[in-house]
Amino acid sequence: DAKTTQPPSMDCAEGRAANLPCNHSTISGNEYVYWYRQIHSQGPQYIIHGLKNNETNEMASLIITEDRKSSTLILPHATLRDTAVYYCIVRVAANTGTASKLTFGTGTRLQVTL
Amino acid sequence: EPEVTQTPSHQVTQMGQEVILRCVPISNHLYFYWYRQILGQKVEFLVSFYNNEISEKSEIFDDQFSVERPDGSNFTLKIRSTKLEDSAMYFCASSEGRQTLEKTQYFGPGTRLLVL
Repeated sequence: DAKTTQPPSMDCAEGRAANLPCNHSTISGNEYVYWYRQIHSQGPQYIIHGLKNNETNEMASLIITEDRKSSTLILPHATLRDTAVYYCIVRVAANTGTASKLTFGTGTRLQVTL
Repeated sequence: EPEVTQTPSHQVTQMGQEVILRCVPISNHLYFYWYRQILGQKVEFLVSFYNNEISEKSEIFDDQFSVERPDGSNFTLKIRSTKLEDSAMYFCASSEGRQTLEKTQYFGPGTRLLVL
């Protein structure tokens, strides 16, 4: 799986958009970009994933550059409850019958402040 | 919304004792995983399981570890003879079995294991 690079920490004011960058310059064509977050030693929580198109769900938006070498997770209106460690993970697509592990890095610690 | 559950939430054991950590994956999921996180460190993959056999395991998953799906709902991780360094949060995860390349994994809340 391709390696990812994220800033170790970021701050965001409550109510503002949080934009979390991730670099994955060695990503392959069959690798997805996944975002998870972990709130204070709880289980990692799935946020969103994408292959090459931008994606949006009820939690966040994922913007992937055209060359797929980087992406940005956007939390449109951050709240205090969004304070967490955010992980950007690149994972190879898995065929039926094949389980594909997640390789976690150190992520970005997002602190949302009043 | 369906979720992965784990029991117990906390487990304290003496070094050398056997522990079994239990997980109930999301009901229609067919792929199962165990991860662990030592305090202050990264989340690490231990093992994946599909069709009643191990798909992949990490170097951490040595002969002291085993996994089992004893019935249609539970997925267990057994540590035969615990060591101090096994103290960690253990997370179970599961993903769907339908024909998809994505197989998003959903995690449980974890079991905090403390070996004394």
